[in-house]
Amino acid sequence: ELKVEQNPLFLSMQEGKNYTIYCNYSTTSDRLYWYRQDPGKSLESLFVLLSNGAVKQEGRLMASLDTKARLSTLHITAAVHDLSATYFCAVPHFGNEKLTFGTGTRLTIIP
Amino acid sequence: DAGVIQSPRHEVTEMGQEVTLRCKPISGHDYLFWYRQTMMRGLELLIYFNNNVPIDDSGMPEDRFSAKMPNASFSTLKIQPSEPRDSAVYFCASSISGVDSEQFFGPGTRLTVL
Repeated sequence: ELKVEQNPLFLSMQEGKNYTIYCNYSTTSDRLYWYRQDPGKSLESLFVLLSNGAVKQEGRLMASLDTKARLSTLHITAAVHDLSATYFCAVPHFGNEKLTFGTGTRLTIIP
Repeated sequence: DAGVIQSPRHEVTEMGQEVTLRCKPISGHDYLFWYRQTMMRGLELLIYFNNNVPIDDSGMPEDRFSAKMPNASFSTLKIQPSEPRDSAVYFCASSISGVDSEQFFGPGTRLTVL
């Protein structure tokens, strides 16, 4: 059974600081997705990582994938209040389109 | 382009009533997914379709839940009879087959069963 673990579950950061969210998964996968969810809203796709060593950046967010370690990271640089949200990673099951989501990391940026 | 459309956005019903949630996927997408999100269980996949055919319904909680996709532009998730523990946000998502297979989520239906 595919398990996806994120840590930390909760993160409070000061504006301007850097931090990393980790996503570990238990079985082989060559793809990984990151989503953002604002309170009371839907999930918004942030990054699609398609191969080992993939790195993608959008503004202050950068995501990477290490398929050998079964690990993805979401790095936040110089955090700003607008980044406050819950971030989910999601991993597809091998050979099909079924996604298992992590527990989510609730990020709060403190002025 | 319109994204995934879901209706209703909010539904309040009483225990024992039938509830039907509706979803219109993005045009041209051949995969459709139904998810449920709760504080206790997080985001769970209930069922998904490919070209209108159910592929995996192992996440459907029990026989009270059923889903259909009569054509490429419409799907329903029905709960009959509803119970308070079914209260959750139900999301529909769609994707197009290929290397990317990125799923796009609808706004969700917030269901409250009293």
